[in-house]
Amino acid sequence: QSVLTQPPSASGTPGQRVTISCSGSRYDIGSNTVSWYRHLPGTAPKLLIYVDNQRPSGVPDRFSGSKSGTSASLAISGLQSEDEADYFCSTWDDSLNGALFGGGTKLTVL
Amino acid sequence: QVHLQESGPGLVKPSQTLSLTCTVSGASTSSGDYYWTWIRRPAGKGLEWIGRIYASGSTNYNPSLKSRVIISVDTFNNQFSLRLNSVTAADTAVYYCASADSGYYVKIDYWGQGTLVTVSS
Repeated sequence: QSVLTQPPSASGTPGQRVTISCSGSRYDIGSNTVSWYRHLPGTAPKLLIYVDNQRPSGVPDRFSGSKSGTSASLAISGLQSEDEADYFCSTWDDSLNGALFGGGTKLTVL
Repeated sequence: QVHLQESGPGLVKPSQTLSLTCTVSGASTSSGDYYWTWIRRPAGKGLEWIGRIYASGSTNYNPSLKSRVIISVDTFNNQFSLRLNSVTAADTAVYYCASADSGYYVKIDYWGQGTLVTVSS
C-alpha cells in the first residue's frame, strides 16, 4: 500500500484535459517537492515534472503540475493517444528518510 | 546526457541473493552531481524506490527492504551495484538503475532500460 494515494485509473478523449491527483501527508508532500513520471512497461520511465511544477527541457507545455498543502496534481491538456501510459507521483518522506512513489494512475485515451 | 545500463542474472533462486550492476556513462559516479538510485516495478504493480547512494558512499534505503539491501559504488569502473538477499517470488520485478539530481529531493533525470529479474526455483 503506497503512502501516496493516486486514483488507479483516468481517461479522456483526444484533445481533452485530464488531471491526476496525488495525496500524501505533512511528512512527504507537505514538506517536500513533488515529481511526476510517465511509464510504459517495457520502457524507461520519463520525468515529466519536478519541483512541483517545473518541466525538464523537451517536455511539452501540455503537461503541468501543481501542489497545495499535502496534495499534488498533474494536468495533461490536449490529450493525445500517445499519452496512454502509467503516471506516478513521487516525493521524499522525512519520517522514512526515503523516497516514495504513488501507486500509479493508468491513463486511457478513449 | 547520462546513460545507464543494468546487467546481471535474469533468474535467481528463492532465498539466494540478487545482484545487479549499473554501468554509467556521461557522468562520473565519483562526482556529487547525482544520487545513484535503484527502483523496481513488479508486473501489475507500481514503481518502488529501493534506495540510493551518493558519491561519498552514504546511502538511503526503503525501510521495507533495508534489512536485505546493500547499494555500493565502484568509482574506478564508474558503476554502482545492488545486492538484495533472501529473495522471494515477491522480489520478481523489472529493476531500473537511475540517476537523481543531487540538487533536488527526488528528480530522477535518467533511467536505464530496466532488467527483468525473476525469482524462481
